[in-house]
Amino acid sequence: SYELTQPPSVSVSPGQTARITCSGDALPKKYAYWYQQKPGQAPVVVIYKDTERPSGIPERFSGSSSGTTVTLTISGVQAEDEADYYCQSADSSDTYWLFGGGTKLTVL
Amino acid sequence: EVQLVQSGAEVKKPGESLKISCKGSGYSFTNYWIGWVRQMPGKGLEWMGIIYPADSDTRYSPSFQGQVTISADKSISTAYLQWSSLKASDTAMYYCARRIDDSSGHNWFDPWGQGTLVTVSS
Repeated sequence: SYELTQPPSVSVSPGQTARITCSGDALPKKYAYWYQQKPGQAPVVVIYKDTERPSGIPERFSGSSSGTTVTLTISGVQAEDEADYYCQSADSSDTYWLFGGGTKLTVL
Repeated sequence: EVQLVQSGAEVKKPGESLKISCKGSGYSFTNYWIGWVRQMPGKGLEWMGIIYPADSDTRYSPSFQGQVTISADKSISTAYLQWSSLKASDTAMYYCARRIDDSSGHNWFDPWGQGTLVTVSS
């Protein structure tokens, strides 16, 4: 079955750049979306269609895509960015959606 | 303001039935798909299925087909997720979310409800 693969954890110091990757065979043909989930809260979309940022999301959040990998980049990480991040996409036939396993971002 | 408000936490015994709800406000409820997502304790997000309230067209993830039923009542702007016989493994937080569809057919979830915690224990 189709899967989206994320690293379980990423750690950075405040002010540094965090990069979270998501790999999947269908990603060259399908957009990816990124959600941020802080402890005890519902997820919030931070990037849609690989690179677009919703209104209200800080400019330090950006997305990129290359081949079978998409990347969420957080520039100048702040303590408030500590959260779980999930990528989401669809399988190649758009039959169903799926989420990556999630990446816990720790701000040291 | 667009909002999805879910029903409160539930504690049930194995074998019992349950129906949880998700009420939309601040937008035209019938014009957007509503999805359901499971999050088991300490685990990631799992897409369960979606429904289009205007005509109740429903799609399920293969993992959840036959395990749950998704429905909607457009007259009261509410979507539902129900189980006929709960198992301990159904213990999880369940989120509903509105699906945004752009003009090219690409879609994502925004916003999400606050979640409903379902605990199944004897």
